[in-house]
Amino acid sequence: GDSVTQMEGPVTLSEEAFLTINCTYTATGYPSLFWYVQYPGEGLQLLLKATKADDKGSNKGFEATYRKETTSFHLEKGSVQVSDSAVYFCALSVSGKLIFGQGTTLQVKP
Amino acid sequence: GAVVSQHPSWVICKSGTSVKIECRSLDFQATTMFWYRQFPKQSLMLMATSNEGSKATYEQGVEKDKFLINHASLTLSTLTVTSAHPEDSSFYICSAKGLAGEDTQYFGPGTRLTVL
Repeated sequence: GDSVTQMEGPVTLSEEAFLTINCTYTATGYPSLFWYVQYPGEGLQLLLKATKADDKGSNKGFEATYRKETTSFHLEKGSVQVSDSAVYFCALSVSGKLIFGQGTTLQVKP
Repeated sequence: GAVVSQHPSWVICKSGTSVKIECRSLDFQATTMFWYRQFPKQSLMLMATSNEGSKATYEQGVEKDKFLINHASLTLSTLTVTSAHPEDSSFYICSAKGLAGEDTQYFGPGTRLTVL
């Protein structure tokens, strides 16, 4: 069945470090792909999305490219800040529903 | 734009009572709303999908008589946890989709339910 796999966390980085959170997916057809972010005690916020192969989603310095050949949608940021500390969820949309990865906790230390 | 609110943000109730959680789309009409449950440090589990004016579609393993969902208007969906028990304690999150054919779901801030 359709699924999303994210790298396990927590990921701990120093401020201004480069961030990569890996996400791979299994799906029939051509799903849309998403990254959502969840700050402590809050709901999910859409961070970025891509709807077809080779699309690049970007927002707030974060980027992810829809790679059909490797079925991946890795999240990257060139220089993280303490305020980026949160849980990041990769997700795909199939038949109108979202399927989430297990989430990756990012901790950024000053 | 695309703001979804939930009320209450947290609730504590006694075992055996019922609790209603509201989900509203504030600046768009939500053709479809979703209800999720999230356990601590875990991912979101889809409970049900509701379309305005029709019965909700529940995911396998979710008790429809326990988790009553009503989507009476294009901006409001409610989840009622009936006869709540401590194992129902969780973080409940709703989301909403607007335009037909759009994939993006917009999430509410969540409701923390604690059943004593």
